[in-house]
Amino acid sequence: ETGVTQTPRHLVMGMTNKKSLKCEQHLGHNAMYWYKQSAKKPLELMFVYNFKEQTENNSVPSRFSPECPNSSHLFLHLHTLQPEDSALYLCASSQEPIQGLILFEEKLFFGSGTQLSVL
Amino acid sequence: SQQGEEDPQALSIQEGENATMNCSYKTSINNLQWYRQNSGRGLVHLILIRSNEREKHSGRLRVTLDTSKKSSSLLITASRAADTASYFCATEAGYSTLTFGKGTMLLVSP
Repeated sequence: ETGVTQTPRHLVMGMTNKKSLKCEQHLGHNAMYWYKQSAKKPLELMFVYNFKEQTENNSVPSRFSPECPNSSHLFLHLHTLQPEDSALYLCASSQEPIQGLILFEEKLFFGSGTQLSVL
Repeated sequence: SQQGEEDPQALSIQEGENATMNCSYKTSINNLQWYRQNSGRGLVHLILIRSNEREKHSGRLRVTLDTSKKSSSLLITASRAADTASYFCATEAGYSTLTFGKGTMLLVSP
């Protein structure tokens, strides 16, 4: 195991449902990420949190709402999703170096993902 | 876009053979990383090579980097059925977050 736990592993939801994905990392990292993986597409970065602050939002639709209450937990709240949102949602964490002191060499540790199906 | 492009998209070999996957990218990088993903699971970091390095080894893995051609290769020697997975390259440039390619699906048959 990588030390990053995602729940649930599978989720089926209708377009009017509200659900949340949960991610927890046990590695003491300070950065957490949400990625979307669709078939035959590159991994798409959705959100980045560094020390609980959102540092990146890759033009993600507002029907995806992230929440990072602390450095160990990350949520992705879902509502009124579309069928094209069906994908594997991956959470990752890394230990971000301090800018200017050492080289950036972020190695990502991924959870097993949540396979989401929107009907 | 910085994202890497893996080649081939799919590769099928027999156990014991070597598997070579390639990655090309577009702009200068700090480092390039290779990840592996078993079906329906998360990605696992395999190896990182810095822009000032040309070759790196880890067990049966050998990674090369040619910054003049903006390309990298991952060689898995003496492959095993358990090596069956998708392999992704990811590039880190400037202060940007890692950018991943579409991956190469490797099938190793017993």
